[in-house]
Amino acid sequence: QKEVEQDPGPLSVPEGAIVSLNCTYSNSAFQYFMWYRQYSRKGPELLMYTYSSGNKEDGRFTAQVDKSSKYISLFIRDSQPSDSATYLCAMTNTGNQFYFGTGTSLTVIP
Amino acid sequence: GAVVSQHPSWVICKSGTSVKIECRSLDFQATTMFWYRQFPKQSLMLMATSNEGSKATYEQGVEKDKFLINHASLTLSTLTVTSAHPEDSSFYICSASDHSGANVLTFGAGSRLTVL
Repeated sequence: QKEVEQDPGPLSVPEGAIVSLNCTYSNSAFQYFMWYRQYSRKGPELLMYTYSSGNKEDGRFTAQVDKSSKYISLFIRDSQPSDSATYLCAMTNTGNQFYFGTGTSLTVIP
Repeated sequence: GAVVSQHPSWVICKSGTSVKIECRSLDFQATTMFWYRQFPKQSLMLMATSNEGSKATYEQGVEKDKFLINHASLTLSTLTVTSAHPEDSSFYICSASDHSGANVLTFGAGSRLTVL
């Protein structure tokens, strides 16, 4: 079983839609949870991170962590064509090893 | 926030030559840096973990003599692709974690290597 599972998509939504991206994990020791956005031929860009359980909001983005279910989510409200990218989840406990999902490819259609 | 600078962003070289890629943490000290390789439309593949002042730890299947990693200071790690061949053409990305803050990774912009 992989440490982190993420549906690769592709996911295609109309502009303005709410997008839900999810990852599940198996290691209950993970404490830091990150979401990255990666455009083609660019390095991943940190969007949000959460420590332990709970929600975090930043503009149109909301990150949720449910440690009891080992499930994390990223919601994008009022999606824009510029949100079209690959979204990666990542997690760690100590910061010495990081575990990534395979990434979900998102296309927002104008 | 934490910034990681990676150079060059794009390099083309002839087969048999060596190429060096630099990764710098600009506003924090990085005792650990990570090097990834990414093929088109695929996920990140961890190549090695670079620790300041010690030898890098390579992932299984990664040739340590082909991909030389040096982490001589708390802000600089380098990846040298030695005797490059066309199959080494890829997108290489470095990252670092600022342990003084949250345990999150910051990535460089990546380096695209094309070996002719």
